[in-house]
Amino acid sequence: SAVISQKPSRDICQRGTSLTIQCQVDSQVTMMFWYRQQPGQSLTLIATANQGSEATYESGFVIDKFPISRPNLTFSTLTVSNMSPEDSSIYLCSVEFVVNTEAFFGQGTRLTVV
Amino acid sequence: GIQVEQSPPDLILQEGANSTLRCNFSDSVNNLQWFHQNPWGQLINLFYIPSGTKQNGRLSATTVATERYSLLYISSSQTTDSGVYFCAVVIKAAGNKLTFGGGTRVLVKP
Repeated sequence: SAVISQKPSRDICQRGTSLTIQCQVDSQVTMMFWYRQQPGQSLTLIATANQGSEATYESGFVIDKFPISRPNLTFSTLTVSNMSPEDSSIYLCSVEFVVNTEAFFGQGTRLTVV
Repeated sequence: GIQVEQSPPDLILQEGANSTLRCNFSDSVNNLQWFHQNPWGQLINLFYIPSGTKQNGRLSATTVATERYSLLYISSSQTTDSGVYFCAVVIKAAGNKLTFGGGTRVLVKP
């Protein structure tokens, strides 16, 4: 398994502002992903964070709203831009050591936009 | 598109009871995992089980890949088992994407 540290664990933000969430893993991983979980809902994949290149976004998610960086094999960030109350969710990062093997999740960032 | 359906959506148990949660999926899978989300939102890995049967303490899981379903068994339930249980799959034809079911919300009463 892996130790996955997500920061911040929670935040309350004003609408129109941006928040950057960090995901740090204690060892190198092949795959890193970002998910959103809206209140009372299941998890939805936002994007795959690719090392050294642009992230691969799922349908309904765009880079201008959710810019992602992955400068190396142990770290990634997700920014939620120009926030509105509809962005209030739990955001989770996930890693896989090898493609298509067991996925592990960080503890999540609980975001409330007011 | 990919379909991952979990049943039942909600389950209320008396402490000590046994239960079975089901996950049906629409296509052949490379990966299937069961997670428990605790009240603080953290996802705990329970099983990585694309096929076969595994057991871990009071929990066990079985995936019948040819029939496209998986079952999670909880025996002698405890109040700490409360939370949401998610099944998630990677469908072979859809690339390396973990798709989650809608979850089963479990409440274990003392």
